[in-house]
Amino acid sequence: EAQVTQNPRYLITVTGKKLTVTCSQNMNHEYMSWYRQDPGLGLRQIYYSMNVEVTDKGDVPEGYKVSRKEKRNFPLILESPSPNQTSLYFCASGPPARREWGYTFGSGTRLTVV
Amino acid sequence: DQQVKQNSPSLSVQEGRISILNCDYTNSMFDYFLWYKKYPAEGPTFLISISSIKDKNEDGRFTVFLNKSAKHLSLHIVPSQPGDSAVYFCAASRKNTGNQFYFGTGTSLTVIP
Repeated sequence: EAQVTQNPRYLITVTGKKLTVTCSQNMNHEYMSWYRQDPGLGLRQIYYSMNVEVTDKGDVPEGYKVSRKEKRNFPLILESPSPNQTSLYFCASGPPARREWGYTFGSGTRLTVV
Repeated sequence: DQQVKQNSPSLSVQEGRISILNCDYTNSMFDYFLWYKKYPAEGPTFLISISSIKDKNEDGRFTVFLNKSAKHLSLHIVPSQPGDSAVYFCAASRKNTGNQFYFGTGTSLTVIP
């Protein structure tokens, strides 16, 4: 089954404790992206990657890091989480040349930073 | 600044009737517009898209209309079914921006049996 898998689904952590949210896709997509969803703000892009070793900032990259060492994986790293990073996070992937096909999203990771 | 806006947070419709969800945008450079549907505890799923060179695209019960002069698009669902109850996001993209999509804040549709 074609899918984007995020882990964990739920995470509660404390301020400053480094964490990684994993994302993996099995569709051989070049393009992968991270979004956060907050009430009243919709989904906002954090980082994206057009291919292996190619990453770039989206609209809200502060406090986040990403890496793309393999095509299938695109982990999101919070080096020193803060309460304003409490949010619902989605990973997505898609073929970069066919934006009209949309992206496949993971099921989300609900992060709470206390 | 929100480049894509959905001004109606919620909408209720009777089963069998038409649902119309609206979306406005500010950037005239957007060339693709998409609608996603999201159920609770799941990620958004792609529903339908439209290119800026078209004014209508239809897929089964779902039709998207684009009015470029008004910078407005709408999603029509006919007939509405209880399984359509979900949050609907519109999204827009323009060339040479790293495939970034700008999302609206979503409209929660409830279809009443």
